Amino acid sequence: AQSVTQLGSHVSVSEGALVLLRCNYSSSVPPYLFWYVQYPNQGLQLLLKYTSAATLVKGINGFEAEFKKSETSFHLTKPSAHMSDAAEYFCAVSETGGGNKLTFGTGTQLKVEL
Amino acid sequence: DTEVTQTPKHLVMGMTNKKSLKCEQHMGHRAMYWYKQKAKKPPELMFVYSYEKLSINESVPSRFSPECPNSSLLNLHLHALQPEDSALYLCASSQDWDRKAFFGQGTRLTVV
Repeated sequence: AQSVTQLGSHVSVSEGALVLLRCNYSSSVPPYLFWYVQYPNQGLQLLLKYTSAATLVKGINGFEAEFKKSETSFHLTKPSAHMSDAAEYFCAVSETGGGNKLTFGTGTQLKVEL
Repeated sequence: DTEVTQTPKHLVMGMTNKKSLKCEQHMGHRAMYWYKQKAKKPPELMFVYSYEKLSINESVPSRFSPECPNSSLLNLHLHALQPEDSALYLCASSQDWDRKAFFGQGTRLTVV
């Protein structure tokens, strides 16, 4: 079964600084990859999705992620953090032949400080 | 309309109660999902319905019983739950051919 690993359960940045959240996947075949955000006591909101059409994927709220097959990575970035970006971020993978199942990483809590 | 609506938002139930969680979407999605999320943990898949038929059951205990009455509705029937079943229950939907899942706000379930 495919899986994703998120390095760093907590990341803290200053407002205006670069945000980098790391995600690595385990697969020899590029899977479907996603980033979701979850604000406290809410459901998950899709930030972006990779489906092999382009290696650099732009999402909502100024986030983007780059798929690197050689590194089996799909890191999430945002050039300038805003206080409203503070939330839990999940990387997720969907197997190409495994139905519509999403498997989530353990999550990264992003804190944005003044 | 890109919403998945879940009711109720909060539910407290005793271990002998029977209750149901409801989920509704009007995006024409033919795949619908139930996930369970414990505090500080990622969501874990419970069930997948595809074209109103159960396609994936992740070995969920029988005290959780899903139902898909039509393409817009998904229910989760609860009976004889345990305190450890307390969690946020998330419903999601997607096109069958597109794995981009839209999530509801969840039902916060507390079993006492």
